[in-house]
Amino acid sequence: SQQGEEDPQALSIQEGENATMNCSYKTSINNLQWYRQNSGRGLVHLILIRSNEREKHSGRLRVTLDTSKKSSSLLITASRAADTASYFCATDSNSGNTPLVFGKGTRLSVIA
Amino acid sequence: DARVTQTPRHKVTEMGQEVTMRCQPILGHNTVFWYRQTMMQGLELLAYFRNRAPLDDSGMPKDRFSAEMPDATLATLKIQPSEPRDSAVYFCASGEWDRENEQFFGPGTRLTVL
Repeated sequence: SQQGEEDPQALSIQEGENATMNCSYKTSINNLQWYRQNSGRGLVHLILIRSNEREKHSGRLRVTLDTSKKSSSLLITASRAADTASYFCATDSNSGNTPLVFGKGTRLSVIA
Repeated sequence: DARVTQTPRHKVTEMGQEVTMRCQPILGHNTVFWYRQTMMQGLELLAYFRNRAPLDDSGMPKDRFSAEMPDATLATLKIQPSEPRDSAVYFCASGEWDRENEQFFGPGTRLTVL
C-alpha cells in the first residue's frame, strides 16, 4: 500500500513563479525523500529530510517536514521550464528493513 | 560517474514470449530494487535484494515473474510467458541500505507486449 500521497496530482504554473507540492504519509518515518522524474527517465533523488529536521534547503528547493501532521512540502522557487517533471515523495519508515514507499507523484508543468 | 544501467532500453514482444531485463547496479551498492511503472498504477515495487539475497518479492505475480541476482554486478527480471498487461516501464534501482535508503534509478526498460 502507498504511504506517501502527493497533492496536487498536477500543477501548471508560469516560469518564475513558485511551485509547492505536498506529501502526506501514515506511519512513523526515519526520513522523507523527494525525487524527480523527467519524462521517459528514471527517478532522481533531490533531497532528504530526517525526522528530527523541520526544514532543509538545496539551491532553489526548500523542503519542510511536520511529523505531528505527517506531512511534507516541496517548494521550488523561481521555477524554470526545465523544472517540468513529476515529483515523488518517498518515506523511509522506522519499522526496520523495509524499503522506501513512493507516492503517485505530482506532475509539474512550467510554462515559459 | 557511477550509474545504474539497464538493458534493453526498449522491448517489443508478442504475447507468450519470454522477456528478460537486465540491470547492473552501482558498484558497491548492496541493495537492488525492481519497480514497474504504469499510468494507472504508478510506481510499484516488484522485488528487492540485499547482498544478493531476495528479501521480498510479494509485489510480483509469482506464476510468471522471477527475479534473480546471479552475482553482485547483475540483476535480472524475467517474465515468462508475457501478457499485454505486463506492458510498462520497468526500473531497477540500487542503494546502500545503511545510508538512509537513498535509491539510484536506472533509465528503465520500456516493455510493450502485443
